[in-house]
Amino acid sequence: DVKVTQSSRYLVKRTGEKVFLECVQDMDHENMFWYRQDPGLGLRLIYFSYDVKMKEKGDIPEGYSVSREKKERFSLILESASTNQTSMYLCASSPYRGYEKLFFGSGTQLSVL
Amino acid sequence: DAKTTQPNSMESNEEEPVHLPCNHSTISGTDYIHWYRQLPSQGPEYVIHGLTSNVNNRMASLAIAEDRKSSTLILHRATLRDAAVYYCILRDVQTNAGKSTFGDGTTLTVKP
Repeated sequence: DVKVTQSSRYLVKRTGEKVFLECVQDMDHENMFWYRQDPGLGLRLIYFSYDVKMKEKGDIPEGYSVSREKKERFSLILESASTNQTSMYLCASSPYRGYEKLFFGSGTQLSVL
Repeated sequence: DAKTTQPNSMESNEEEPVHLPCNHSTISGTDYIHWYRQLPSQGPEYVIHGLTSNVNNRMASLAIAEDRKSSTLILHRATLRDAAVYYCILRDVQTNAGKSTFGDGTTLTVKP
């Protein structure tokens, strides 16, 4: 079965810390995505990548960066975590064609205190 | 990006059919219509997708209006396990990554 694995289910960090959220997919997909989900705001796209070392900003990239050194791994980085980044973070992947279906991980609930 | 509009919530009785609507009046000719659902404490999972013709799979059916400005996800016999948030999104065949915008979706409640 296809799988998108997010390294942590729950994470608690302090304001100002550098935070790494890791995502790994085992389907050899070209595209990978990071979303955050907040009540009443749906899923919002932070960044996506369509190839190794390639990345593009989504709708809300401020305060985040990403890294994709290997095809299977896509990392979301909070350079200096703030309380307004407390959220559910969801990683997804898809094959290269734009219309192909998305596969999601289970999510990481990040709390920044 | 083309946007979709869905009702915030819907209710259904167990073992009855459910029709979940989605409006996408600004859809382009290269947009595929996708449906996902999200169970509590899980990431969204794919349900079905289509371009112009109606589609069926083991989970659901997708009915697409002739002008493609709306679509309906049909669950033929709702079960308690179908209670979830259902998202309708558009994915563009022309873009490699298929950047997609999710709205708030429709929260489906299934009553026993």
